[in-house]
Amino acid sequence: DVKVTQSSRYLVKRTGEKVFLECVQDMDHENMFWYRQDPGLGLRLIYFSYDVKMKEKGDIPEGYSVSREKKERFSLILESASTNQTSMYLCASRGLETGGAGGYTFGSGTRLTVV
Amino acid sequence: GQQLNQSPQSMFIQEGEDVSMNCTSSSIFNTWLWYKQDPGEGPVLLIALYKAGELTSNGRLTAQFGITRKDSFLNISASIPSDVGIYFCAGRNAGNMLTFGGGTRLMVKP
Repeated sequence: DVKVTQSSRYLVKRTGEKVFLECVQDMDHENMFWYRQDPGLGLRLIYFSYDVKMKEKGDIPEGYSVSREKKERFSLILESASTNQTSMYLCASRGLETGGAGGYTFGSGTRLTVV
Repeated sequence: GQQLNQSPQSMFIQEGEDVSMNCTSSSIFNTWLWYKQDPGEGPVLLIALYKAGELTSNGRLTAQFGITRKDSFLNISASIPSDVGIYFCAGRNAGNMLTFGGGTRLMVKP
């Protein structure tokens, strides 16, 4: 089974700090995604990447950036954390070969609190 | 981006009851998916629907792809305590991207 690992389950950071959220997948998947989950709003796409060094903005990219230097790793960066970025962050990956819509595999999430 | 309206937002039911939730969209989707998120975990795929009108079951779960391609529902029969979690619908468009609904939080009283 594909495994998507997010490095931290819980993080507490101060306003203005630079924050790195790391995600690693072990199945050589081309596509990786970062979502933000907030109550009643579902999962909103922040950024995605369809290959190494490639990145595309999702629906809510403001205040975030990403890095994909290696195929297995996709990092989400909060350049200057703010309290409205307190949320659950979910990483997902999908391989081109899966084709079917069920190919998204999610990590367990990182709950970030900005104080 | 596109929006999916998922309802209800939450449900608190008695063990053994049947559950029904649905998603509607202003846009057409090629595929509808239903995910479940257990507490403290990421969402896991339950059912995928690929054709308008399709009705698919997975154990006690049944989901349908609406004939207009703008809606889908999920039913859970005879709920049990481990059904607790957040259920998300998702639609996939021609660009192969998923749009998620707001989620339905299910709570089951033993």
